[in-house]
Amino acid sequence: DAGVIQSPRHEVTEMGQEVTLRCKPISGHNSLFWYRQTMMRGLELLIYFNNNVPIDDSGMPEDRFSAKMPNASFSTLKIQPSEPRDSAVYFCASALRDQPQHFGDGTRLSIL
Amino acid sequence: SQQGEEDPQALSIQEGENATMNCSYKTSINNLQWYRQNSGRGLVHLILIRSNEREKHSGRLRVTLDTSKKSSSLLITASRAADTASYFCATETLNRDDKIIFGKGTRLHILP
Repeated sequence: DAGVIQSPRHEVTEMGQEVTLRCKPISGHNSLFWYRQTMMRGLELLIYFNNNVPIDDSGMPEDRFSAKMPNASFSTLKIQPSEPRDSAVYFCASALRDQPQHFGDGTRLSIL
Repeated sequence: SQQGEEDPQALSIQEGENATMNCSYKTSINNLQWYRQNSGRGLVHLILIRSNEREKHSGRLRVTLDTSKKSSSLLITASRAADTASYFCATETLNRDDKIIFGKGTRLHILP
């Protein structure tokens, strides 16, 4: 049974470039969450979807960040333009309603 | 925003000893969850305790919840080297909006 799949696992890019992170949730899960993890701020919820609809994007730091979920099996988190302070590990998680979340192994993003 | 806060931030113990981590939170909750994160990996759900429960066991894990003190503890008995990881508590509010808020975690190191 495949877990949550994130790609790429590592991304290194220069400041100003567009970055797209991808997530495939567990089949059948109806909630999807994007988190950012840093040493300073810990694990922050950026946005989450229920049944492909964005419910709460209050954690999205700036307009440079956007997330989409075009269907139940795919979501993207885009940063445009990227800045060095966006460097972090980005996690995607999925869940059934009222059930614990299942996390992917994250994308380690470095913006030079 | 509401957030669990783990204590201690870091803990080193000898293999075979018991490890206790604590979590405090600020407002009323629907449930509290504990997750483990191994280095370079995503978070893995360990155990969920509901607001009307006081204690729960799962293998070598024992979780307690005191809603009057707004606190929880995670006890790992007979620790093993493989228990070396970061441990996070997460709280779901009474809104039941599928959102959970994570603390900054306790880094546990089991010494051989």
